[in-house]
Amino acid sequence: GENVEQHPSTLSVQEGDSAVIKCTYSDSASNYFPWYKQELGKRPQLIIDIRSNVGEKKDQRIAVTLNKTAKHFSLHITETQPEDSAVYFCAATPYNTDKLIFGTGTRLQVFP
Amino acid sequence: DAMVIQNPRYQVTQFGKPVTLSCSQTLNHNVMYWYQQKSSQAPKLLFHYYDKDFNNEADTPDNFQSRRPNTSFCFLDIRSPGLGDAAMYLCATSLRDANQPQHFGDGTRLSIL
Repeated sequence: GENVEQHPSTLSVQEGDSAVIKCTYSDSASNYFPWYKQELGKRPQLIIDIRSNVGEKKDQRIAVTLNKTAKHFSLHITETQPEDSAVYFCAATPYNTDKLIFGTGTRLQVFP
Repeated sequence: DAMVIQNPRYQVTQFGKPVTLSCSQTLNHNVMYWYQQKSSQAPKLLFHYYDKDFNNEADTPDNFQSRRPNTSFCFLDIRSPGLGDAAMYLCATSLRDANQPQHFGDGTRLSIL
């Protein structure tokens, strides 16, 4: 079955710097890759997603890149702000399933 | 504009006393999920429904059951809660279609006394 690895587990950056979180997946047939942001005590919120027919997607300060050959995808946050501090989860959906396989999460801290 | 609504937000029960958590949705999504999330961990899928078709994860304990009486509602029953079942329980919904996102409720935090 699908397995998703996520690195780093914690990431501290200065406000205004960029943050990059990387995930790798094992099932080459996986075709959908969402990223969720979860603040303490709150629900996971979808922040961006990418489908397997696209290599990059951007939404304001957030971008996701996908390398299908290498089976990895990354979240890029530019001009980080303290309100970006949260736990970020990557996930992959194996082909022809309804499930999300989550990575282990990255705790991002942005210091003012 | 909460579209996946979980009740209650906080639930306290006694060790071994059955408890039911509820989830409702206004999105008319055909797939509903229940996750268990313990602190600092990723959500762990317990089971999901595609319409009325129930799909249990292989490692979900028998202590956990679910009901989906109609499209809008889904319930999680914990028959005999143990201390290890204290967690956040998240409900999510999605459309069964190519690559649709899951939308999460705010969760129910379950405490066991």
